[in-house]
Amino acid sequence: DGGITQSPKYLFRKEGQNVTLSCEQNLNHDAMYWYRQDPGQGLRLIYYSQIVNDFQKGDIAEGYSVSREKKESFPLTVTSAQKNPTAFYLCASSMGQPQETQYFGPGTRLLVL
Amino acid sequence: AQSVTQLGSHVSVSEGALVLLRCNYSSSVPPYLFWYVQYPNQGLQLLLKYTTGATLVKGINGFEAEFKKSETSFHLTKPSAHMSDAAEYFCAVSCYNTDKLIFGTGTRLQVFP
Repeated sequence: DGGITQSPKYLFRKEGQNVTLSCEQNLNHDAMYWYRQDPGQGLRLIYYSQIVNDFQKGDIAEGYSVSREKKESFPLTVTSAQKNPTAFYLCASSMGQPQETQYFGPGTRLLVL
Repeated sequence: AQSVTQLGSHVSVSEGALVLLRCNYSSSVPPYLFWYVQYPNQGLQLLLKYTTGATLVKGINGFEAEFKKSETSFHLTKPSAHMSDAAEYFCAVSCYNTDKLIFGTGTRLQVFP
């Protein structure tokens, strides 16, 4: 089955710790995206990548980092600089054109211990 | 820059009643418009989208939306609500000169028996 997988489903972070969220797609999509979802605020774009080895900051990139070494993978690291990381994180992919549908993974919920 | 406003963070309807979820957008160029649905603790799924052509767009699960340029609106409707329609609904906008999808803050639909 084609789709987007995110792991883990739940992730716990301790103070001062970096954690990495995984996102993999087998849709052969060029573009991949990371969003943060907080109650009542909709989805906010963290980082996106239109092509391998290139990525751009979204609206709330501070405290996060990404890499795009393979077309299929776009991991997100939540660094210790992100002071309020508790949220639901969604990964998406698309063919890259603005009229194309973005397809979403099931999400990872990050909680702080 | 594009923006989206969803009027009403919560909407409640009885089973069998009309569903109307409101979305207004702002864009200086012709927009691409999307409606997504999110069930609890899951990713987003596309309901329907407007890019060009017919302004009345039909989607999955009996939903439809009409693009009204004069009113800058893209309201989502369903003639008869079902219990399974209870979810959060997001309107989103992009356009040809941007590589981002801008989301509204969402509307939570409750369906009562």
